[in-house]
Amino acid sequence: NAGVTQTPKFRILKIGQSMTLQCTQDMNHNYMYWYRQDPGMGLKLIYYSVGAGITDKGEVPNGYNVSRSTTEDFPLRLELAAPSQTSVYFCASGGNEQFFGPGTRLTVL
Amino acid sequence: GEDVEQSLFLSVREGDSSVINCTYTDSSSTYLYWYKQEPGAGLQLLTYIFSNMDMKQDQRLTVLLNKKDKHLSLRIADTQTGDSAIYFCAERKNQAGTALIFGKGTTLSVSS
Repeated sequence: NAGVTQTPKFRILKIGQSMTLQCTQDMNHNYMYWYRQDPGMGLKLIYYSVGAGITDKGEVPNGYNVSRSTTEDFPLRLELAAPSQTSVYFCASGGNEQFFGPGTRLTVL
Repeated sequence: GEDVEQSLFLSVREGDSSVINCTYTDSSSTYLYWYKQEPGAGLQLLTYIFSNMDMKQDQRLTVLLNKKDKHLSLRIADTQTGDSAIYFCAERKNQAGTALIFGKGTTLSVSS
């Protein structure tokens, strides 16, 4: 099993650009999550999904959108990038045990 | 205040025991977790404990849970330089699709 994979690893965006962060898991988990980690902070929940076709907002959803068309994939979309979205983004899946991907480091200039 | 609080830094010598402490606020939390993050890497699940347990041991790791005081600790025996990392405590609440609430992390520095 590859576990949770994320692409890209790094990205630099200009203000106002858009992009999609990809996340895929091969453990057949229903629950998937997107977190962001700011320097010196813990992780904050952006969006989560309890199964294909079902998504809901977390603590910090503004500026992001998600979709969940399959069990395996949970992409995160940034429509109009802002400097405040500079962060490391982690995707996770699982219930009692949550497994994290390696992260995407995003810089918005 | 923050849901989950941890001290920010801990420095120990190689071979000593490390104890990282965490307090949480939600008595309804069902599971409590310890994750390890090495520089530039993702989060690795070290261990977790169900709220009806007091202690869990896994090789060099011992987790103690004091539910009355809402206090969780992680003890690492015979700490090695490879244990240097940031350790995150997290609680799982009965809401938000079982998402985790994280502390800010404790940076463990191990000197030889």
